[in-house]
Amino acid sequence: GAGVSQSPRYKVAKRGQDVALRCDPISGHVSLFWYQQALGQGPEFLTYFQNEAQLDKSGLPSDRFFAERPEGSVSTLKIQRTQQEDSAVYLCASRRGVQINEKLFFGSGTQLSVL
Amino acid sequence: DAKTTQPPSMDCAEGRAANLPCNHSTISGNEYVYWYRQIHSQGPQYIIHGLKNNETNEMASLIITEDRKSSTLILPHATLRDTAVYYCIVRVAGGNEKLTFGTGTRLTIIP
Repeated sequence: GAGVSQSPRYKVAKRGQDVALRCDPISGHVSLFWYQQALGQGPEFLTYFQNEAQLDKSGLPSDRFFAERPEGSVSTLKIQRTQQEDSAVYLCASRRGVQINEKLFFGSGTQLSVL
Repeated sequence: DAKTTQPPSMDCAEGRAANLPCNHSTISGNEYVYWYRQIHSQGPQYIIHGLKNNETNEMASLIITEDRKSSTLILPHATLRDTAVYYCIVRVAGGNEKLTFGTGTRLTIIP
């Protein structure tokens, strides 16, 4: 497809399980972002990649959260030992270039529920 | 980045212009104003951005006051598909990559 694709669309995990969320950005887009959106709140920044380099991970809430983009295209957000407070929608966005004013294209997100 | 203030909710009749206000009274000279919207169960969608001049594109118009302390997003002929949460965001040009969304304005278009 032409847009940002995220999978799975929904994920249910038991507390303590590890999860992996996938993002396929728009082909050729250099920049990739992960955001976390709690129920009723706006999205909050997690991390930013430029190609394969993770240039900003200041928003990752704990060392249980890890993101990678090894070949500069697909990205995976991994959450280890999930907790109930990790329940949220995880949004991925991509941007064609590196100019900060270029618009971001968001996927529809992965809704994570930790029981 | 400057803080923004938006009304939590607004209604607008279908076919009328929807005017969404945003207050950013602490904005500095090198901070841009961005608008994104989020339709239910979708990711945010870029609408428009500007620095100090009014801007218009195929989706909307952005009117920024002369002192830049507030702005208005105008959807000229609202349709039911414009029902969404609208986020006004202020960010420094050349600053970090983070967009700070806040809680936005929930716009409901009434048939």
